[in-house]
Amino acid sequence: EIVMTQSPATLSVSLGERATLSCRASQSVSINLAWYQQKPGQAPRLLIYGASTRATGIPARFSGSGSGTEFTLTISSLQSEDFAVYYCQQYNNWPRTFGQGTEVEIK
Amino acid sequence: EVQLVESGGGLVQPGGSLRLSCVASGFTFSNYAMHWVRQAPGKGLEYVSSISSGGTNIYYADSVKGRFTISRDISKNTLYLQMGSLRAEDMGLYYCVRLSSAYFYDYWGQGTLVIVSS
Repeated sequence: EIVMTQSPATLSVSLGERATLSCRASQSVSINLAWYQQKPGQAPRLLIYGASTRATGIPARFSGSGSGTEFTLTISSLQSEDFAVYYCQQYNNWPRTFGQGTEVEIK
Repeated sequence: EVQLVESGGGLVQPGGSLRLSCVASGFTFSNYAMHWVRQAPGKGLEYVSSISSGGTNIYYADSVKGRFTISRDISKNTLYLQMGSLRAEDMGLYYCVRLSSAYFYDYWGQGTLVIVSS
């Protein structure tokens, strides 16, 4: 099973600042990596797939990069609605596995 | 608009059974593989089980293998998860999820809560 490790566990960011979230896979997943956003009391929502492609309706301030084992989600200028938990997920191998999540909180 | 609506969760005793349902609408259900993903209270996301569009390819996480059964009824646009021999560690929110043609999860239901307690 591929282990996905996200860092940091919690990221404290001010409104308007840049946030950088990391995700590492225990073995290569090529670019078969997705990012999801989950707000309290809500289901996860797809943000990024193919490591760098924004899903429909996702603002341009969200960007993804990386391949192989190292991936990054960047939020260029944090808005109030961006404070949430973010999960990465690999879909290269079975079983599909998720990182433990990074909580982006208000500084 | 794609919609996935889960139901069937509730309180069950350890060792008991429960059947979850997920009614799909807004897309051609028979064209898509479907998955169940769960989330323990305050924890992260965990893949549970999946079924191919035609229902022939079925997979389970090791943690539920032999206890859970996934199925689908194309005529009712409904996905099921039959859960048996339930344990405390099975407790959580169960999401019905659509697998896109490119293999990531593109739509999620709102989830149904399973509580395992005596």
